[in-house]
Amino acid sequence: EDKVVQSPLSLVVHEGDTVTLNCSYEVTNFRSLLWYKQEKKAPTFLFMLTSSGIEKKSGRLSSILDKKELSSILNITATQTGDSAIYLCAAGGGYQKVTFGTGTKLQVIP
Amino acid sequence: EPEVTQTPSHQVTQMGQEVILRCVPISNHLYFYWYRQILGQKVEFLVSFYNNEISEKSEIFDDQFSVERPDGSNFTLKIRSTKLEDSAMYFCASREALYDYTFGSGTRLTVV
Repeated sequence: EDKVVQSPLSLVVHEGDTVTLNCSYEVTNFRSLLWYKQEKKAPTFLFMLTSSGIEKKSGRLSSILDKKELSSILNITATQTGDSAIYLCAAGGGYQKVTFGTGTKLQVIP
Repeated sequence: EPEVTQTPSHQVTQMGQEVILRCVPISNHLYFYWYRQILGQKVEFLVSFYNNEISEKSEIFDDQFSVERPDGSNFTLKIRSTKLEDSAMYFCASREALYDYTFGSGTRLTVV
C-alpha cells in the first residue's frame, strides 16, 4: 500500500523564521511528488517534483526531491502570517492517483 | 487561470438519499479524479477516470458510488444511498498529461 508521511505534524514559528517541512514516501512506480497549501478549502498547488536534486523555487518557497532517500523537503524563508496553513505532500505514479500525507499544520505568529 | 468548478459548494442530505456532486474540469484535461477529506483527516483518493471509463478506484469507492461524464464537460460523482460516514469535503481534480493536478474548491457534503 502506498504511503506518504509528513513531519512535523504541526509547527508554530514567529514571523521571519525559516521553516523546513519534511515528506517521505513509499509509492509503487513513483513518478512525481507534489506539494500543496491548504487553507480553508481546496488544496492549492505549490510544486511538482519529478527529478532528484533539482530545486524548485517560487518566491520564498522552495522544494527539492531526493529519490535515493525517498523524501522531499519544503522550505519557507522569512515566514509571514499569510503562510499559516496546512501543507500537504502527495506522491503518485504516472497518471493515476496520488497519495496524500496527513499534512503539516504551520502557524506563523507575529 | 483555468479552474475546476464544483457545484454545489455545500449540500445537506438525509441519510439514505441519493446525491450527485458535479464538477466541470478544465477543458483540455483528459484525466479526472474524485478525492474526499473527512474533517480533520487526510485527503483520500476515491476514483480516477480516463477515456470515459474508470481507470482506478479505491476500497472506499464501493457499489454505492458511481461516476459519469455525461456530456463531455461535466464529471459527476453519485452516491446512491448516503450514510452518515459519507459526510466529508469532496474534491474533483483534473490534470493534463503529467503536469500538476488542479483541484476544484470542493463540495461539503453533510449527511444528517
